[in-house]
Amino acid sequence: GGIITQTPKFLIGQEGQKLTLKCQQNFNHDTMYWYRQDSGKGLRLIYYSITENDLQKGDLSEGYDASREKKSSFSLTVTSAQKNEMAVFLCASSPGLGVEQYFGPGTRLTVL
Amino acid sequence: QQQVRQSPQSLTVWEGETAILNCSYENSAFDYFPWYQQFPGEGPALLIAIRSVSDKKEDGRFTIFFNKREKKLSLHITDSQPGDSATYFCAASAVNTGNYKYVFGAGTRLKVIA
Repeated sequence: GGIITQTPKFLIGQEGQKLTLKCQQNFNHDTMYWYRQDSGKGLRLIYYSITENDLQKGDLSEGYDASREKKSSFSLTVTSAQKNEMAVFLCASSPGLGVEQYFGPGTRLTVL
Repeated sequence: QQQVRQSPQSLTVWEGETAILNCSYENSAFDYFPWYQQFPGEGPALLIAIRSVSDKKEDGRFTIFFNKREKKLSLHITDSQPGDSATYFCAASAVNTGNYKYVFGAGTRLKVIA
């Protein structure tokens, strides 16, 4: 078994601030993902990384940057937080294509 | 473009009843359909999944029925329990085209009353 850890669990920032969310997995999975979940909506893909040193844009990448520092970690940066932006950011990992994605517990972002 | 649609948005059933959650999609290239269960404050967890070569997948009280021609699938939860109360997401992916991306529906919030 393994686990995905996301830090912090809650993140409060100011408008215009640069904010970084971190994700660690000990599954030894190659592929990692960042999703945004808004209330009442499905998950939308922000960035994903097929292997270490790879970075792919998802459907919602504008306003975000990502970094795959090593196989086990994947960070997401909100480049300029928008006021009233409230969402849960979910990190996931997968051993490969066409198989289960395992999700972390999420980071809840609030921008004042 | 909403490629994966779920209905109903919310559903309430009595304990012991069968809950039916619906999902439809537009992209005929989609060939892998996982269903995820999410409890408040937690990340989604895979419940059951089906590939487009099958028309039915069963795992205990959870069954997926898949209609490729109509691009529809449904999740049936038999003998529903209060512990099944959660939000259920249908997702789709085009695995055979080498696509790593999942497209998620907006979810169905299920409440099971004892």
